Amino acid sequence: SAVISQKPSRDICQRGTSLTIQCQVDSQVTMMFWYRQQPGQSLTLIATANQGSEATYESGFVIDKFPISRPNLTFSTLTVSNMSPEDSSIYLCSVDTGARREAFFGQGTRLTVV
Amino acid sequence: QKEVEQDPGPLSVPEGAIVSLNCTYSNSAFQYFMWYRQYSRKGPELLMYTYSSGNKEDGRFTAQVDKSSKYISLFIRDSQPSDSATYLCAMRSGGSYIPTFGRGTSLIVHP
Repeated sequence: SAVISQKPSRDICQRGTSLTIQCQVDSQVTMMFWYRQQPGQSLTLIATANQGSEATYESGFVIDKFPISRPNLTFSTLTVSNMSPEDSSIYLCSVDTGARREAFFGQGTRLTVV
Repeated sequence: QKEVEQDPGPLSVPEGAIVSLNCTYSNSAFQYFMWYRQYSRKGPELLMYTYSSGNKEDGRFTAQVDKSSKYISLFIRDSQPSDSATYLCAMRSGGSYIPTFGRGTSLIVHP
């Protein structure tokens, strides 16, 4: 398994501002992902954070809104830019590791935009 | 039709009851099946991981996969108030690293 530290755990932000969420893993991992979890909804994949190259975004998510960095094999950041109340959600960092490629998650960042 | 269907509940049971949580899916390529538990204000925690059809038991938890019916279940025996959480099913094909998640079922075990 992997231990994933995500911060901040929660934040309340003004609309129009940006928030950067950090994800630190206790071991080197190939694959890191960012998800959004809205109330009553399943986890939605935002993007795959690629080490040394641009992130791969899922349909409906764009780099200008959700820029991602992955400077090494243990760390990634997700920025939520120019926030609106619709961005209020839980954002989760995930890694897959091990021979079975199990997905492990951080504690999540609960974002409220006012 | 969504790829993975899961009743959001809430499912409320008395302590000691046997709980059955279920998901159905439409993609026959799914081979790996997982159950996650998510407590309020926490990230999902992997509970069970199974490959293909069959049963897998771990303590009070049993995961069951019926690929012919595209139906998976998680059984919790002797349920405890500490089992109160949201349970998410997830599954993926052999060619993908990215699982598809259900919406999650909220379980409440009352004393």
